[in-house]
Amino acid sequence: AQSVSQHNHHVILSEAASLELGCNYSYGGTVNLFWYVQYPGQHLQLLLKYFSGDPLVKGIKGFEAEFIKSKFSFNLRKPSVQWSDTAEYFCAVSNQGGKLIFGQGTELSVKP
Amino acid sequence: KAGVTQTPRYLIKTRGQQVTLSCSPISGHRSVSWYQQTPGQGLQFLFEYFSETQRNKGNFPGRFSGRQFSNSRSEMNVSTLELGDSALYLCASSTRDRGPDEQFFGPGTRLTVL
Repeated sequence: AQSVSQHNHHVILSEAASLELGCNYSYGGTVNLFWYVQYPGQHLQLLLKYFSGDPLVKGIKGFEAEFIKSKFSFNLRKPSVQWSDTAEYFCAVSNQGGKLIFGQGTELSVKP
Repeated sequence: KAGVTQTPRYLIKTRGQQVTLSCSPISGHRSVSWYQQTPGQGLQFLFEYFSETQRNKGNFPGRFSGRQFSNSRSEMNVSTLELGDSALYLCASSTRDRGPDEQFFGPGTRLTVL
């Protein structure tokens, strides 16, 4: 069965620090990959997505992610975090458009 | 465009009761998916409807059911509620006309079962 693993449960950073959140999935076929963010009190929003093409994808608010097929990974990065990036981040995989399989989420706390 | 809307936003029920949650997708979106979010299990897929037909189903008991109407609005029903059904129920819509597409999520319905 497909599964998604996010390595970090809770990450605490200071403002301006660099961020990398790990995401690995288990599925051998073609996958579509997503990172969603849930800010406190708000609903899930899409940060970025990968369907095909350039494995380095750029999303909103300065986030980017790199798809490494050989490692089944889709790590999220941001060079310099801000306090407003405090949120929960979810990696998700789909091989059928309507069914997303989510990782357990990573809670990011950014200290001002 | 208006986003995905879900009603009600909060609901308190007792064990054994049943509940119906409603979701209105973004205008033009024909696919509606439902997810359950809990602290212990995270986000889990319930089912997807497209043009009034269930396309995908997750691993939930038959007490969880859904349907979609001709205007793409969707409802999900949970019968014989259990304490473990307390969760945030999220609805997401997408176009899904050709191949994969991103899903847009609503604010959720917070269900508490006492």
